[in-house]
Amino acid sequence: GENVEQHPSTLSVQEGDSAVIKCTYSDSASNYFPWYKQELGKRPQLIIDIRSNVGEKKDQRIAVTLNKTAKHFSLHITETQPEDSAVYFCAAKEARTGFQKLVFGTGTRLLVSP
Amino acid sequence: DVKVTQSSRYLVKRTGEKVFLECVQDMDHENMFWYRQDPGLGLRLIYFSYDVKMKEKGDIPEGYSVSREKKERFSLILESASTNQTSMYLCASSPRGPDTQYFGPGTRLTVL
Repeated sequence: GENVEQHPSTLSVQEGDSAVIKCTYSDSASNYFPWYKQELGKRPQLIIDIRSNVGEKKDQRIAVTLNKTAKHFSLHITETQPEDSAVYFCAAKEARTGFQKLVFGTGTRLLVSP
Repeated sequence: DVKVTQSSRYLVKRTGEKVFLECVQDMDHENMFWYRQDPGLGLRLIYFSYDVKMKEKGDIPEGYSVSREKKERFSLILESASTNQTSMYLCASSPRGPDTQYFGPGTRLTVL
């Protein structure tokens, strides 16, 4: 089955800096890659996603890039703000079974200091 | 607005007890999921269901079972709770077409 690795496990940046979180996946058939943000004590919420037929997607200060050849995708946050502090999870959808099964990475705790 | 609710935010049970965790969604979603979340391990899929009375094992189904008698409700059952099942349990749902999963607030279960 699919395996997703996520790095780094923790990331500390100064407000205004950029932050990059990277994930690799193992199954070349995977075709959907969402990113979820989980603030302390809250539920995970989708912030951006990308499909395998697209190389990059942007939404204001966040962007996701996908390299299918290398089987990795990354989340980029520019001009970080303290409210970006949270745990971020990447995921990949298993394509082989036909079910909407997501395999998640282990999470990155992002801390943005004022 | 999608709403996924879970029966309890916090639950404390004793070893060997039978535990029921309930999840309800109000958006007529076909798919429902149960995950457990542990520090450093991310979200791991326990079971999921793609239709009423249908279920599929996820990556860590051992020690758990599920029930989906109605479309809006998906129950996770711990037949005989053990201390290693102390965790945060998250329910999610998604419609048949789009892949976005919507999560509930979570139930923090402690087994003593």
